[in-house]
Formats: sequence, C-alpha cells, structure tokens
Amino acid sequence: SQKIEQNSEALNIQEGKTATLTCNYTNYSPAYLQWYRQDPGRGPVFLLLIRENEKEKRKERLKVTFDTTLKQSLFHITASQPADSATYLCALQTGGFKTIFGAGTRLFVKA
Amino acid sequence: DTEVTQTPKHLVMGMTNKKSLKCEQHMGHRAMYWYKQKAKKPPELMFVYSYEKLSINESVPSRFSPECPNSSLLNLHLHALQPEDSALYLCASSQGGGVAQGGEQFFGPGTRLTVL
Repeated sequence: SQKIEQNSEALNIQEGKTATLTCNYTNYSPAYLQWYRQDPGRGPVFLLLIRENEKEKRKERLKVTFDTTLKQSLFHITASQPADSATYLCALQTGGFKTIFGAGTRLFVKA
Repeated sequence: DTEVTQTPKHLVMGMTNKKSLKCEQHMGHRAMYWYKQKAKKPPELMFVYSYEKLSINESVPSRFSPECPNSSLLNLHLHALQPEDSALYLCASSQGGGVAQGGEQFFGPGTRLTVL
C-alpha cells in the first residue's frame, strides 16, 4: 500500500542552527513533492515544490532535495528562528491531483 | 488576490441538520479541493474539481455532497452528519489543467465543524 512518512514527530533545535526534516514514501510515483507549513488552527501554507526530475530547490533560507531512487525528500531551514516554529507537512501529488500528506513534523526553535 | 476564503469560520450542527460550507478564490485557478483535517492529523483529500467537473472522490460518504457552480466557487453540502465528522474542513485551489495539473495549492483558513 502507498505510504508517506515523516520520520520525526517533533524536532527541537537551537536558534541559528539548521533544521532538517525527512519525508520518505513507498509504493508511490509522485509527479510533485511539496512542503507546507501549518500553524495551529490555520490552513497549510505552501513553501516549496520539487518535480520528479529535479534534485534540489532553494528559496531564501529553505532548501528541499528529492531522491526518487531512495524515495526520500529532505527539507532544510538554515539559520532557524523562533518564528519558524510550526508543523511542516510534506505532500506527494500525482499529475492527476491526488494528494497525500505526511503526518507532519512539529518544529520547535528555541531562542 | 492570492487568497482563498471560506465561510463560515465555525459551524455547529445537529445530526439532522442540512448546512453548506463555501469556498471562493479569484486567482483563476481551475482545480479546487476539499480536505478534512482531524486534530493532530494531516489533511485528508476528499474531493477535487477540475474545470468545474468532479475529478476525484476519495470514497467519501454521501452525506457529504460537493458542488462547483463556477470556476471561482466550491461548496460542500452537509446532511445527516455524525459526531465523528467533526473536524477542520479545508478548501484549496491550484492552477490545474493540462501539463500544469496539480502543483502548489493555496489553502483557505478552514471551517471548524462540530456535529452534536
């Protein structure tokens, strides 16, 4: 069966350090892998999208990698700040709109 | 305008009530989505409309009935719901269509539904 896993339920890091979040999937061939941020009681906010033929994408302090052989994506936040504290969701999407979200990783950045 | 709006923000209904959730976007997106999210769980896809036609129904019970009256509006009609249907209902849109199918989704703030 198709499965998507985010390895850490919660991640605590010190301000200024790099946070690295992991997303693994099985039995799935996504066209896109996306990362979203969700704050309590709010809808997810899109951060980055990476296509199946891309290895890496960057946006400001964010970087995502995509390894379709390992079936894994890594999401990095460099120079983390307390304002980065939130739940981060990875999502796989086929070209036909079907979207599956991982359970999320709650990131806590301590000042 | 890069906003997806949802009304109402909160809804409390009894199991015999009929109510509707509304979603609107003016970004020219041609794909619109309904998700259900329970506390501390990820969003679960319910329905997708593409060019106002139902593209995906994830085996959702018939007490949930989606409707897409035009390219900017998406409704979710609710009837005879159960207490376990209490959740945050999220609407999203994406550019959609052709080779641009799928892609980044813009989410609304959600409707917090409580079924008594």
